[in-house]
Amino acid sequence: EDKVVQSPLSLVVHEGDTVTLNCSYEVTNFRSLLWYKQEKKAPTFLFMLTSSGIEKKSGRLSSILDKKELFSILNITATQTGDSAIYLCAVGDGTSYDKVIFGPGTSLSVIP
Amino acid sequence: DAGITQSPRHKVTETGTPVTLRCHQTENHRYMYWYRQDPGHGLRLIHYSYGVKDTDKGEVSDGYSVSRSKTEDFLLTLESATSSQTSVYFCAITTGPEYGYTFGSGTRLTVV
Repeated sequence: EDKVVQSPLSLVVHEGDTVTLNCSYEVTNFRSLLWYKQEKKAPTFLFMLTSSGIEKKSGRLSSILDKKELFSILNITATQTGDSAIYLCAVGDGTSYDKVIFGPGTSLSVIP
Repeated sequence: DAGITQSPRHKVTETGTPVTLRCHQTENHRYMYWYRQDPGHGLRLIHYSYGVKDTDKGEVSDGYSVSRSKTEDFLLTLESATSSQTSVYFCAITTGPEYGYTFGSGTRLTVV
């Protein structure tokens, strides 16, 4: 059965800290790995990763994929209270309907 | 957001009643999805559609049906609502492989 596992499930840090969120997966037909940020409403797209070892960056956020070891990390440097959210990892399955399997999410709280 | 809207935003209904949630898109995307989100489970796929009148089941489809008679509308029906269907329901469309999903704002459904 395809699955996506995230760790930790919740995390509390102080502003300015650097955090690393983990995502591992077992998917039969891997196509891509996606990260989303969910605040109070709908998830919003952060990154899509398809190739191992190529870091994607957006401001203080960065992510990398290891397709051999079947995991990805999401790094957030110099955290701010606005980074408080649930971070969802998802893996795209290479079937025809763009199936995506989501992990349970990591709830990040950044305190002043 | 990106031309996708859900209605209603909130609904309280009684056990045993039928409920229909609507997802409307203005982007003319072929693929549309219904997810439910519950604590500890992340987002789980209920049903998806790959075109008008072309739908299929996801991992948690029991108790749900869908219809897509027009490209822009994807309806989710709870045939006889149960308390276990209390959840937040998200509709999603695919805007392109490099962007992952775009989600609607969600419908919070409470079955009492």
